[in-house]
Amino acid sequence: AQSVTQLDSQVPVFEEAPVELRCNYSSSVSVYLFWYVQYPNQGLQLLLKYLSGSTLVKGINGFEAEFNKSQTSFHLRKPSVHISDTAEYFCAVSDSVAGGTSYGKLTFGQGTILTVHP
Amino acid sequence: EAGVTQFPSHSVIEKGQTVTLRCDPISGHDNLYWYRRVMGKEIKFLLHFVKESKQDESGMPNNRFLAERTGGTYSTLKVQPAELEDSGVYFCASSPRWLAGFYEQYFGPGTRLTVT
Repeated sequence: AQSVTQLDSQVPVFEEAPVELRCNYSSSVSVYLFWYVQYPNQGLQLLLKYLSGSTLVKGINGFEAEFNKSQTSFHLRKPSVHISDTAEYFCAVSDSVAGGTSYGKLTFGQGTILTVHP
Repeated sequence: EAGVTQFPSHSVIEKGQTVTLRCDPISGHDNLYWYRRVMGKEIKFLLHFVKESKQDESGMPNNRFLAERTGGTYSTLKVQPAELEDSGVYFCASSPRWLAGFYEQYFGPGTRLTVT
């Protein structure tokens, strides 16, 4: 079984400030890790993913995340946020075993609402 | 290329009624997933189709929920009879045929279901 914990339900920040959204996971098998973003009245959009290789992953809109296997974390960061980054962010995992039993099923965290103030 | 579409965007029904949600995946995508988010909770997996076959329905909450994907194209999720705890946002996602490695799941905007 897998689980994902997003440590902050809401994160308010001022425009141009840095931000970190925290995510921890637990799994008995190796995983793929994802961050999704949901803007108001839209579907979830993939922000970035970690499949293998370099632990620092860069995504769209200037976001990046670092996979830390020993701490089972995958925190999302952005050095300078914009008003347009206001959205809800979801951390998710899936089994990394190709052809495994989960077939890409995603397990999500509870979501973090990022609000960027002017 | 059209994205994943879901219909309706909102549905308000009374307890005991029946509701059918529809999802149209991206054309050519063999994999179709249903997820649900109950208010205040995380998004949870419901089931997974590969073409018209149910690959995994371990997340379906009970037998009041019936999902179909006739012909391997669009999918429907029927709730009959609806209960108050069924309220939430139902998301559909699709991805290409899963041969090896990873394929991104593309999500629809969701259907907000309110049971009163």
